[in-house]
Amino acid sequence: KAGVTQTPRYLIKTRGQQVTLSCSPISGHRSVSWYQQTPGQGLQFLFEYFSETQRNKGNFPGRFSGRQFSNSRSEMNVSTLELGDSALYLCASTTGGNTEAFFGQGTRLTVV
Amino acid sequence: GESVGLHLPTLSVQEGDNSIINCAYSNSASDYFIWYKQESGKGPQFIIDIRSNMDKRQGQRVTVLLNKTVKHLSLQIAATQPGDSAVYFCAENRGNNAGNMLTFGGGTRLMVKP
Repeated sequence: KAGVTQTPRYLIKTRGQQVTLSCSPISGHRSVSWYQQTPGQGLQFLFEYFSETQRNKGNFPGRFSGRQFSNSRSEMNVSTLELGDSALYLCASTTGGNTEAFFGQGTRLTVV
Repeated sequence: GESVGLHLPTLSVQEGDNSIINCAYSNSASDYFIWYKQESGKGPQFIIDIRSNMDKRQGQRVTVLLNKTVKHLSLQIAATQPGDSAVYFCAENRGNNAGNMLTFGGGTRLMVKP
């Protein structure tokens, strides 16, 4: 079956703009988590959605937000982009419990 | 603060040798750990996991060992191959309500010499 799909793969935005990234989980998976990966900070947890509700949240500012739809697809939004938001954004899906998380290929966001 | 970390940032091994990648964690309440492999330009790939009620778990050419006494995790790769070259991350699940919230170590780069 298909893996975790993230779109778009690459994105270039200007400071101050906003961006929306999409993640389609593995079929049957109900939990979607988002992570930011940068050379300096490594992989950091943003938030997790399960059954259209945010279940866990990391330590990111309110400019970072997300949502999940009834089909488990998730989007994350970053408003008022800053240069430091340039990163690889990864999403991972699980069936919902404390089980193995499978990652997508990521969206490479560059803010100029 | 509490964190999951790695002892060695880079590990270079000869093809055919065994590799051992180490990881330390500090949250004694953690009960689920995962190892991931990440190749350049790709997302992390699940390798193997282990729960805190186990000391050892084996997969295909990989073994994960968990020592709860000293809060240490290791990944052993047998007969290392060039295709094993990648960055390896250990991760600890600290999610609330049995959710998914992974805390990652800094990563170890494994380089396999032919």
